[in-house]
Order: sequence, then structure tokens, then C-alpha cells
Amino acid sequence: KAGVTQTPRYLIKTRGQQVTLSCSPISGHRSVSWYQQTPGQGLQFLFEYFSETQRNKGNFPGRFSGRQFSNSRSEMNVSTLELGDSALYLCASSLDPDYGYTFGSGTRLTVV
Amino acid sequence: QKEVEQDPGPLSVPEGAIVSLNCTYSNSAFQYFMWYRQYSRKGPELLMYTYSSGNKEDGRFTAQVDKSSKYISLFIRDSQPSDSATYLCAMGSGGGADGLTFGKGTHLIIQP
Repeated sequence: KAGVTQTPRYLIKTRGQQVTLSCSPISGHRSVSWYQQTPGQGLQFLFEYFSETQRNKGNFPGRFSGRQFSNSRSEMNVSTLELGDSALYLCASSLDPDYGYTFGSGTRLTVV
Repeated sequence: QKEVEQDPGPLSVPEGAIVSLNCTYSNSAFQYFMWYRQYSRKGPELLMYTYSSGNKEDGRFTAQVDKSSKYISLFIRDSQPSDSATYLCAMGSGGGADGLTFGKGTHLIIQP
């Protein structure tokens, strides 16, 4: 059974650019969440999608957005990149969020 | 005060020892409690899931939740060098829509 797949694994972008990250959840999982992980702040919730609808969003600026497609695959977009956006971005999927998520290996984004 | 407090370590113990990892939290709305293990350059891996107060055992791992004290623990018996990783506690209030709130993680080192 394939796990959660995130692409690309590594990304280097310049300040001011925008970036799109992709996530393919485990087959059958309709809930997809995104988290940002940094050494200083740890793992922080970005947003969660269920059946193409964003159910909630964490405390991040509007530059961070996402969407989910009908096949449950999800993308997140960060516009006008800042140096502070450098982080590991993790996608997680779940059959039932109350029973825990399965995380992908993440996309390491470096903004220079 | 942060919602979830977790000692970052590092915690270094000899192989075979019993390891105790802990988190405290302040939000009484948390109903679901999880422990994740994260190896370097990997996404978090769900180890244990518990709902409400009590104990749950799975192999060498035991999770304890004391909602009255807002305190959760993970015990690892017969620790192995392969258990060396960062252990993250995570909590949710239910439904998945609010996302999980994570501790910053404890870096555990098992010395051979």
C-alpha cells in the first residue's frame, strides 16, 4: 500500500517568487492536512481539506493557500516567498482524522 | 504559555533502559492524544493513539493520558538504538478540522 507522496522533495526558491507543492494521499483517504515544520516553531497546522472543501485554516497569512482535487490529491501554494518561509512542509492524510494522520516525507523548501 | 509543552532534550539513555517521554497541555478541549516518531529527513510516523484518559499498550510502547492533570506520557521498554529519534506528542479536539497541535518534540538517543 503506497504511502503519502509529496513532490518535490527539495526546492530552492528566491524571495518574492511563488511555489506550489503537491501531495498524493493514501488511496481512500479523503482528509488531507498540511503542516509547516521549523526548528523554532515545530509543527504548525496550515489547513485541512476534506472532499475538496477547506474545513479550517491555521494562523498563517493569506500568502499560504491550498486546494484539493476530486481524486483527493492536494496542492499548497505560497506566494511572495519570504526568507522565513524556509521550512519542511508536510502533508498528512487520514481516513478519519480522529484516529491520526499518516505523514509524507515532506518537501524541504529553502528561500534565498 | 504554549498550548503543549514538551522537553526538547536531548534525552540520552543506555540500551535496554525504560524511556519516559512526557507532555503537558493547557487546552481542556483536547480529546485525542497521539505520539509520533520522526527520524531525520523523514515525516512523522504515528506510534500510538489514545482517546480520553487511561493507558494503551502496543508492544514495547505504552501511552498514558491523565486528563485531570493535563499530562500525557509515552513509555518505551527495552529501548533499542533504532528507537533513537525525535518523539512528538500531538493532540486534537476532534473532527480533524482544527488540526493537531504538536509539542516541539523530544530528541531521544539510545546508547548501544
